Amino acid sequence: ILNVEQSPQSLHVQEGDSTNFTCSFPSSNFYALHWYRWETAKSPEALFVMTLNGDEKKKGRISATLNTKEGYSYLYIKGSQPEDSATYLCGGGADGLTFGKGTHLIIQP
Amino acid sequence: DAGVTQSPTHLIKTRGQHVTLRCSPISGHKSVSWYQQVLGQGPQFIFQYYEKEERGRGNFPDRFSARQFPNYSSELNVNALLLGDSALYLCASTGGYEQYFGPGTRLTVT
Repeated sequence: ILNVEQSPQSLHVQEGDSTNFTCSFPSSNFYALHWYRWETAKSPEALFVMTLNGDEKKKGRISATLNTKEGYSYLYIKGSQPEDSATYLCGGGADGLTFGKGTHLIIQP
Repeated sequence: DAGVTQSPTHLIKTRGQHVTLRCSPISGHKSVSWYQQVLGQGPQFIFQYYEKEERGRGNFPDRFSARQFPNYSSELNVNALLLGDSALYLCASTGGYEQYFGPGTRLTVT
């Protein structure tokens, strides 16, 4: 994957609200799509690896979908909490991942 | 079970110097990847090693090199440091499809 784009670049959400953001990638030669949550001064935390078109994965209040034919993935957070504040990265590829710039999410109490 | 470990945590070097960064993967993982992350950008792939062989290389100059040891730990070496090499260097250990990241080494070149 040569070019991965994420939008929006940053997002302010009220505590309790739900939100979602997008990762776009070239649909040709797709291998796998990774989502990470990255809090300041910590290691990026793996959330999901998605490989099949139509994949939907869920971890607690966070879920993700994948459309390899049109080249996008959505990450959803339901009922945002302050601890969800982080940068969310998506990246694709086989061995070396190509990452987007991330979506910086701030949950406001 | 320990995660991916990296050393040192922080490092300050002068232009023209050489630096070596170290990474230990998760026990049982045989593949290590290196990434460079500069402010405002996502991590950029530098190298991947599997079973001590280079498996992939990103678009970085020859000043960057790496190696993997029999215990699967890895070193990233950067020669002739430039100011632009200042970044967070992340190591990732691969298990199946997943890549697990360490906390990174913050390199500052002055």
